[in-house]
Amino acid sequence: QKEVEQDPGPLSVPEGAIVSLNCTYSNSAFQYFMWYRQYSRKGPELLMYTYSSGNKEDGRFTAQVDKSSKYISLFIRDSQPSDSATYLCAMIARPSNTGKLIFGQGTTLQVKP
Amino acid sequence: DSGVTQTPKHLITATGQRVTLRCSPRSGDLSVYWYQQSLDQGLQFLIQYYNGEERAKGNILERFSAQQFPDLHSELNLSSLELGDSALYFCASSGTPAWNEQFFGPGTRLTVL
Repeated sequence: QKEVEQDPGPLSVPEGAIVSLNCTYSNSAFQYFMWYRQYSRKGPELLMYTYSSGNKEDGRFTAQVDKSSKYISLFIRDSQPSDSATYLCAMIARPSNTGKLIFGQGTTLQVKP
Repeated sequence: DSGVTQTPKHLITATGQRVTLRCSPRSGDLSVYWYQQSLDQGLQFLIQYYNGEERAKGNILERFSAQQFPDLHSELNLSSLELGDSALYFCASSGTPAWNEQFFGPGTRLTVL
């Protein structure tokens, strides 16, 4: 079993929809939780990160962490065709003196105009 | 543009051969990371260097090796190549040895025939 599980999709939604992307994990030492966005033929770019449990909002994006359930989510409000990409969750354990990230498989999202 | 450069963009080679992938980190970043992305395994951490020293190791095959040079650029050497080594190889960099935002390069697509 992988440390981080993520449904690869693909997920197809109409423009304006609310999108929910999720990951589950098994390692209780994970403390930092990140969401990366990867456009086709590009490298991943960091969207948001949260530390431990709670919510974090940035514009149309909201990240949630529920450590008791070992479950993290990314919500995208008012989705746009430009949001079409692969979304990868990533985690890192603490304490750690390295930057070793553990990624989920990635969910491919398509937002149709 | 993340500021991380990788060369070459594409590489096509035959089984049994050896290749070298090159990465230049963002200006001022001391940490360099290598990741492998394949369809079945997703994005997997290979190795991290910090200021010339190996900092962390993932599931990197013995046929693979890396180093970081005094000017901070890094090279990933892949030898005795197999068909299964075909993948996207990403380099990332960050300013610290522990977790900080990692900036990914555009990747090198390796095809082993």
